[in-house]
Amino acid sequence: NAGVTQTPKFQVLKTGQSMTLQCAQDMNHEYMSWYRQDPGMGLRLIHYSVGAGITDQGEVPNGYNVSRSTTEDFPLRLLSAAPSQTSVYFCASSYSQSSNQPQHFGDGTRLSIL
Amino acid sequence: AQSVAQPEDQVNVAEGNPLTVKCTYSVSGNPYLFWYVQYPNRGLQFLLKYITGDNLVKGSYGFEAEFNKSQTSFHLKKPSALVSDSALYFCAVRDMRGNNRLAFGKGNQVVVIP
Repeated sequence: NAGVTQTPKFQVLKTGQSMTLQCAQDMNHEYMSWYRQDPGMGLRLIHYSVGAGITDQGEVPNGYNVSRSTTEDFPLRLLSAAPSQTSVYFCASSYSQSSNQPQHFGDGTRLSIL
Repeated sequence: AQSVAQPEDQVNVAEGNPLTVKCTYSVSGNPYLFWYVQYPNRGLQFLLKYITGDNLVKGSYGFEAEFNKSQTSFHLKKPSALVSDSALYFCAVRDMRGNNRLAFGKGNQVVVIP
């Protein structure tokens, strides 16, 4: 059982470049989300999805796009990378948004923007 | 909106001594409360949760947490710390009512000294 799989694990970009961070889960979870983790700031929600075809903004959505064409996949796109987007990005999933079940996290993508 | 405060940046404890990581929360209604642990270069792993019922919750790796409604706290505890418990610990809260998102604290670094 793979759980939540994120690729790539590491990435270095130049300012202005675009890229897609991949996230896939094999638990048939309806709810998926993207967080960024910065020192001293905990986890901040970027975007989330409550099911295929449905996405919504979190706390810090600017500069990022998402889509949810299938239950399994929830890619995060950086449109034009900026140094402020240097961070560790985590994808998470759970049965539903309102569930009392915990979220399952991937191992993260460490992204540096030069 | 719900929020979590983890007042200490770092907790240092000698191996074999009791470990406490503090968490206070704010929600409009009744809370779902969670503790997660993060080891270096890994995603967050679920430790334990409080939903309803007994205020003392037992979780993985010998950890437990006590829900105190009057003090709006959910402190994480372990009777005897191990060096392998050195990690980053996150408290999180969700309001039971509606489809509110999970809010994370900023995290506490725990260092267990041999």
